[in-house]
Amino acid sequence: DGGITQSPKYLFRKEGQNVTLSCEQNLNHDAMYWYRQDPGQGLRLIYYSQIVNDFQKGDIAEGYSVSREKKESFPLTVTSAQKNPTAFYLCASTRTGSSYNEQFFGPGTRLTVL
Amino acid sequence: GENVEQHPSTLSVQEGDSAVIKCTYSDSASNYFPWYKQELGKRPQLIIDIRSNVGEKKDQRIAVTLNKTAKHFSLHITETQPEDSAVYFCAASGASGNTPLVFGKGTRLSVIA
Repeated sequence: DGGITQSPKYLFRKEGQNVTLSCEQNLNHDAMYWYRQDPGQGLRLIYYSQIVNDFQKGDIAEGYSVSREKKESFPLTVTSAQKNPTAFYLCASTRTGSSYNEQFFGPGTRLTVL
Repeated sequence: GENVEQHPSTLSVQEGDSAVIKCTYSDSASNYFPWYKQELGKRPQLIIDIRSNVGEKKDQRIAVTLNKTAKHFSLHITETQPEDSAVYFCAASGASGNTPLVFGKGTRLSVIA
């Protein structure tokens, strides 16, 4: 998991603004994921990507967008359409070549709407 | 789709006692069951996992058991220590590579010295 980085660590957003969270990995993992974590809610899947230039919606994709132009990078944009974006956001990636997806997590970005 | 239920949501034990956290899943095709530990403000860390062809797995003070017939799996921590205090998450996923994990809502474990 040391090969996954997220930035920034803390992010403040005004209502109506779009913000982009960065996720980079140097583990040569094919699959990458974005989760949202709220107190008492566990980890909920926002989007995931199994290969470059392809991604799928998770359980709570509304108000979010992603891109996967490079294998190493999977940025998440929180749009103004997301009504309650204050949360802890975690990026993860899956070990290449494994039949079972052991996921490694980045350190997270805490987003606060002012 | 898969649904994972986790109990209890909070658990307090005396130092040295054992702790047990239980999870159930709905999709009989799931065959990978990891457990993550998350300390306050930090990322989840994998502590142990089990595949469907195994009924039990141990790693020092931590063990996981799986009952595929009943579709439930459990985390057992023996001789608990204050540093075991954290939130623990179970998860499940299917056989195809890179299938997303579905997580339980977590258990906050407090070990009282």
